[in-house]
Amino acid sequence: EPEVTQTPSHQVTQMGQEVILRCVPISNHLYFYWYRQILGQKVEFLVSFYNNEISEKSEIFDDQFSVERPDGSNFTLKIRSTKLEDSAMYFCASRGRGSGNTIYFGEGSWLTVV
Amino acid sequence: GIQVEQSPPDLILQEGANSTLRCNFSDSVNNLQWFHQNPWGQLINLFYIPSGTKQNGRLSATTVATERYSLLYISSSQTTDSGVYFCVGGGSEKLVFGKGTKLTVNP
Repeated sequence: EPEVTQTPSHQVTQMGQEVILRCVPISNHLYFYWYRQILGQKVEFLVSFYNNEISEKSEIFDDQFSVERPDGSNFTLKIRSTKLEDSAMYFCASRGRGSGNTIYFGEGSWLTVV
Repeated sequence: GIQVEQSPPDLILQEGANSTLRCNFSDSVNNLQWFHQNPWGQLINLFYIPSGTKQNGRLSATTVATERYSLLYISSSQTTDSGVYFCVGGGSEKLVFGKGTKLTVNP
């Protein structure tokens, strides 16, 4: 089965620090996503990315968040100044072109802000 | 935006029992998937099923797109089936998760 890989698997950071979460989507996929899941809660959509630009974002995805695809393979989520409430599991996902394609999720990156 | 409602929120079964999980959508969706989140937090893809019926072993799913709902059937449940089952649906740019059904299968 194809695989989305994420690094780091777990990161602890001080409040106010910048964090970059990295993802390698499945090659030849065209749509990329970030989701987050606060412990014990539902999985929330953050942002989708297509054709080198953000295609949709949620109200959670404010100015402290940014995404980029710097080299055609990695897809990163940057949190500029972390807050305690950013502590969550962050999932990256990707899917192919068109409406008939499965979305695949990575194993997630646990972020703990202290 | 699309709302996804799942029921029941919690389900406790004895090993060997069958169950049906339901997902309702507030609007039509082009993409619909079922996932199992295991105790380690991994999201395991079960079915991509925007319409029709699929089966994979003890699991099967049916989506009635015209009535905006999907059902996941688990037969002869095992303790390893425990976890949270999520229904996810939407368009290409945004897929929305339901709140999930937490399944506990007791030996």
